[in-house]
Amino acid sequence: GDSVTQMEGPVTLSEEAFLTINCTYTATGYPSLFWYVQYPGEGLQLLLKATKADDKGSNKGFEATYRKETTSFHLEKGSVQVSDSAVYFCALSSSYKLIFGSGTRLLVRP
Amino acid sequence: DAMVIQNPRYQVTQFGKPVTLSCSQTLNHNVMYWYQQKSSQAPKLLFHYYDKDFNNEADTPDNFQSRRPNTSFCFLDIRSPGLGDAAMYLCATSRGTELAKNIQYFGAGTRLSVL
Repeated sequence: GDSVTQMEGPVTLSEEAFLTINCTYTATGYPSLFWYVQYPGEGLQLLLKATKADDKGSNKGFEATYRKETTSFHLEKGSVQVSDSAVYFCALSSSYKLIFGSGTRLLVRP
Repeated sequence: DAMVIQNPRYQVTQFGKPVTLSCSQTLNHNVMYWYQQKSSQAPKLLFHYYDKDFNNEADTPDNFQSRRPNTSFCFLDIRSPGLGDAAMYLCATSRGTELAKNIQYFGAGTRLSVL
């Protein structure tokens, strides 16, 4: 069945460092791909999405490109802030359902 | 301005004692979902409602039931909680089920402990 694999955390960075969180997927057909973020004490929020190959999703300085040839959707940010500390979930959907990875915790130190 | 509200945030129940978790939404969305998230694991869809139509995932245990009395409210009932049912339960809503076009909005979750 469809699945999502993302790098285990926690990822600990200093403020202004470059961030990459790896995400790969297995799916039949052509899923849409998402990154959700969960800040402490809050629900999951959609961060960005891409619905077809080579699409780039972007929001709040984060970017991810839908790479069909490598079945990947890696999340990147050029300069992280302390306020980016959260858990990040990669997910795919092929119809009504979101299939999530297990999440990567990001800790950004001042 | 929470749009998907889950109550309570923390719930403790005893082994085998029925428990109900609540979700309400102010978005007037057609679809409501329940996910289970065990510690350090991915959220997993249990079931969803499209309006009054209930859609159960094939691997959701019979111990889990749901009710949606109106557009705004949806309940998760666990008939006989076991220790393995301790988890975070997430409610989500969307206007439609085509997720390429419809964002899912999540509540903050209810953390269930089973003693």
